[in-house]
Amino acid sequence: GAVVSQHPSWVICKSGTSVKIECRSLDFQATTMFWYRQFPKQSLMLMATSNEGSKATYEQGVEKDKFLINHASLTLSTLTVTSAHPEDSSFYICSAREMGNEQFFGPGTRLTVL
Amino acid sequence: QKEVEQDPGPLSVPEGAIVSLNCTYSNSAFQYFMWYRQYSRKGPELLMYTYSSGNKEDGRFTAQVDKSSKYISLFIRDSQPSDSATYLCAMRGGGADGLTFGKGTHLIIQP
Repeated sequence: GAVVSQHPSWVICKSGTSVKIECRSLDFQATTMFWYRQFPKQSLMLMATSNEGSKATYEQGVEKDKFLINHASLTLSTLTVTSAHPEDSSFYICSAREMGNEQFFGPGTRLTVL
Repeated sequence: QKEVEQDPGPLSVPEGAIVSLNCTYSNSAFQYFMWYRQYSRKGPELLMYTYSSGNKEDGRFTAQVDKSSKYISLFIRDSQPSDSATYLCAMRGGGADGLTFGKGTHLIIQP
């Protein structure tokens, strides 16, 4: 149980384009989903927290207009990186949590912006 | 001072040895403490979850939390080459939902 999937697993795009990453909880309903970013040899940094049906809460320093998060159902959250630039290249990882339980992480999406 | 400090290693030990991994933290509001294992280019996998101070054992893994010292540990007994990975400590508390991670320790178990 507690399986979280992400799609795509990797993506390469041109600078200025937008990229959408999906995060799904496969065998449970996730009341809360989280998006993290991990640069090489660095730790995971929380970008935003989203609850189903409400607006995401962004961490300080994360541009909400650049990183659009939608949590339309209890099993799906999406992160859209708008007008991506090379400095946005990173490993994006989502996690999902049922009410009161711990977070389970997806396998991550490696984004490379050329 | 970062909220969570963790030695990035690498830590290299022979197979069968007992491994000790540690994190220190500064935020006294943290109440929930976790250890994750992450293989290269993969998402973190939850290994241990503890609440407040104390010990918790699960198979070859033992997690310890000392809130008075703001210090947590993960012990791995009878280490195996398959245990080679990056181990991340994480914690939360004070009303925050998201996790604060350490940098991760790169562990290498030599056959």
